[in-house]
Amino acid sequence: GNSVTQMEGPVTLSEEAFLTINCTYTATGYPSLFWYVQYPGEGLQLLLKATKADDKGSNKGFEATYRKETTSFHLEKGSVQVSDSAVYFCALSDLSGNQFYFGTGTSLTVIP
Amino acid sequence: DAGVTQSPTHLIKTRGQQVTLRCSPKSGHDTVSWYQQALGQGPQFIFQYYEEEERQRGNFPDRFSGHQFPNYSSELNVNALLLGDSALYLCASSEVMASGGRTFFGPGTRLTVL
Repeated sequence: GNSVTQMEGPVTLSEEAFLTINCTYTATGYPSLFWYVQYPGEGLQLLLKATKADDKGSNKGFEATYRKETTSFHLEKGSVQVSDSAVYFCALSDLSGNQFYFGTGTSLTVIP
Repeated sequence: DAGVTQSPTHLIKTRGQQVTLRCSPKSGHDTVSWYQQALGQGPQFIFQYYEEEERQRGNFPDRFSGHQFPNYSSELNVNALLLGDSALYLCASSEVMASGGRTFFGPGTRLTVL
């Protein structure tokens, strides 16, 4: 079946530190992979996505590369800001594209 | 464009009661999905509606039912509420056969069951 496992938090970093949030997946076939971000009191917002192996998704300084050989999609950012404080969810969509499978989320707090 | 809207924002019910949550999809979107997000967990897929019919369903009991209207808006109904139904319920809208990146989530309805 389909599932996503991501690094548990919470994660606390100082401003301008390097961020990595690990994500691995199990899936049948070749799913699309996503990172969503949830700010306090808000819904999920798409941060980035990759639809096939070796694709790199990027947005707002965040990057993640679809690694088929390690079934991973780790999120990275070179220099975090206080405004990046949020909960980050790794997700995959099944082959139909109709259903998302989410990880449990990683809470990030960036302190000045 | 208002994006995906949901109502109400918060709701408090007691065990055994029934609840209806509402969702209006983003303009131009014809497909609506519902997710349950328990505290500290990732969202879990409940079901998806397209052309007023349930197209796909996750691992949720029949107490969870839905409806889609001709204007593409949708309702989620939960009967015989349990304490464990307390969660944030998210609505997501997309165009049919979207590849995921064109899925938009609403802010959610926070349901508390006492």
